[in-house]
Formats: sequence, C-alpha cells, structure tokens
Amino acid sequence: GAGVSQTPSNKVTEKGKYVELRCDPISGHTALYWYRQSLGQGPEFLIYFQGTGAADDSGLPNDRFFAVRPEGSVSTLKIQRTERGDSAVYLCASSPPLASLNNEQFFGPGTRLTVL
Amino acid sequence: DAKTTQPNSMESNEEEPVHLPCNHSTISGTDYIHWYRQLPSQGPEYVIHGLTSNVNNRMASLAIAEDRKSSTLILHRATLRDAAVYYCILRDISGNTPLVFGKGTRLSVIA
Repeated sequence: GAGVSQTPSNKVTEKGKYVELRCDPISGHTALYWYRQSLGQGPEFLIYFQGTGAADDSGLPNDRFFAVRPEGSVSTLKIQRTERGDSAVYLCASSPPLASLNNEQFFGPGTRLTVL
Repeated sequence: DAKTTQPNSMESNEEEPVHLPCNHSTISGTDYIHWYRQLPSQGPEYVIHGLTSNVNNRMASLAIAEDRKSSTLILHRATLRDAAVYYCILRDISGNTPLVFGKGTRLSVIA
C-alpha cells in the first residue's frame, strides 16, 4: 500500500517568506508527527497530532512555526518569516491507532527546505 | 526520556555479522527499546523493538542485557544495502509518543 508522502520534496525560499509543507499519512493512521533534521543530526521532534488535535507541540521552536490537521488525515506545517536557520529536512511520520501493539512510526521521505 | 549512548560509527565487511551496541543505563521499567535506521536520503524506518526478552524478525535480532541497561542490534549478514545510520531509542510503553533520536551509529559496509 501507499506509504507516507510529503510534498514538495524540495523547497527553496528566500529569507522572510512564508512556506507550507504537506504530509499525507498512511490511510487509517490516527497519529501524525513532524520532525526536522539538520545535517549530521538525528531527527528532532516538532509536533504530534492524535486525530485533528495537537497532542504535543512542545517541540515547535517558536511562534513562527504552526501545523494543522483539520480533517484528521493530511497535515500542513507552516513556517512564517523563514530564517536561514530553518533550513533542514522536515520529516513526517504516522502511526496506527493506540490499539496497535507496535505503534511503529512510518516516515515519509521528507521535504528539504533551503532558506537563502 | 532516558538517554541512549551509541558509537558514532562502525564498519563491517559484507556478508559478515554486525553487532551495534547501545547503552541506556537510566532506562525505566516501562521503556521499550526501539531501533530505527535511516538510509541515505530517506526517512527513518523501523527495525525492531523489545522490552526484556531477545527479539528476532526478518531484518535483525535484538539482544537485551538482563539488567536492561544495554542492548545490541544484530544484523546477521551485512549487505551494502544495510549501510545506514542506526538509532537506538527508548520509548514509554504508554503508547504513541514522539521518538527522541540521538546521533545514532553510522554503519559502513565494505564490499
């Protein structure tokens, strides 16, 4: 079946611009996570949705970052007034309902964001 | 989340077994040990997880120390496609929680 997809795969923008990154999770997965990964580092948690609501947004670095998941499936990560330090690979992951024994997270390929 | 410690890098010959160590001396009784790996230019993928007993699946084996303060991921026959960064992660039994990644171990496989 289809895995987690993320669009665009690459995004180049200028400092100060607004960007939106999209994540399509695996159908039926209720949990959705956003991470970002800088070069040479492991992924860093940003925000987690259970259904439509943000269950944990403690990883968002500041109020320029915002994410939504209005219908409990597709999610959009929004970054306002981008800065060069926002350049990273943004990863999305989804996982099945809590009843699953494994709660394995399935990751998408990521969106590489470059802020010039 | 409890911290894990892994070597920065390891090297293996193709077709040889690989033992990737992980220390987690502050693990709590409700922490599962998870392993993920990240191939070049891809998102991480799940490898295996366990609580107390050793575990085997089609990808690897997980050996967990009796005191649970360390574990070892075992790839029985390394292939070039196993070259990746391997992450050892502790995750509470309570359910869906974010993964806390360290820097992992970069495994190189030599033909």
